[in-house]
Amino acid sequence: QKEVEQNSGPLSVPEGAIASLNCTYSDRGSQSFFWYRQYSGKSPELIMFIYSNGDKEDGRFTAQLNKASQYVSLLIRDSQPSDSATYLCAVNTNAGKSTFGDGTTLTVKP
Amino acid sequence: GAGVSQSPSNKVTEKGKDVELRCDPISGHTALYWYRQSLGQGLEFLIYFQGNSAPDKSGLPSDRFSAERTGGSVSTLTIQRTQQEDSAVYLCASSPHSGYEQYFGPGTRLTVT
Repeated sequence: QKEVEQNSGPLSVPEGAIASLNCTYSDRGSQSFFWYRQYSGKSPELIMFIYSNGDKEDGRFTAQLNKASQYVSLLIRDSQPSDSATYLCAVNTNAGKSTFGDGTTLTVKP
Repeated sequence: GAGVSQSPSNKVTEKGKDVELRCDPISGHTALYWYRQSLGQGLEFLIYFQGNSAPDKSGLPSDRFSAERTGGSVSTLTIQRTQQEDSAVYLCASSPHSGYEQYFGPGTRLTVT
């Protein structure tokens, strides 16, 4: 079992829809959780981080964390073609090292 | 302010040669990470520095790979006797402290011929 698992996709949604990206992790000691976006040929860039159970909203993005279920998700509302990218989930333990999932590729169709 | 910078942006080398890749982190960031990403693949952790602590080298794939961080700032990743399977994009990231968000550099694309 991988430490951080994501559906590889591709996930395709129509423009204006909600895109839901999911991530599960195996280490119950994980403390902080991150979502990064990576456009083709570019470096990952931070979208959101979440440390506590519940929801955290930032514009069109909402991160959701459920530590009991070892599950973190990213919702993108009003999806735009410019949101088409690979989304990476990352999980940090007390050791400080991040473990990244392999990413979910999202395509938003006009 | 300035982000993470890496040099060179592209490096083509012959099999068996040594290469050095450089990373300049964001000023004041105490944590620095190196990753490798092959085409169409996820991020592979290589090594992590936090302040003056001993680095976490658990991701280095072989003893041909080494890294150092001088003065808690600039880092160099060295690959000795390069092999074709070393071809990938090497990404550096820095963080205000371990466990916090990471900021990535543009990467160095290494091609071993």
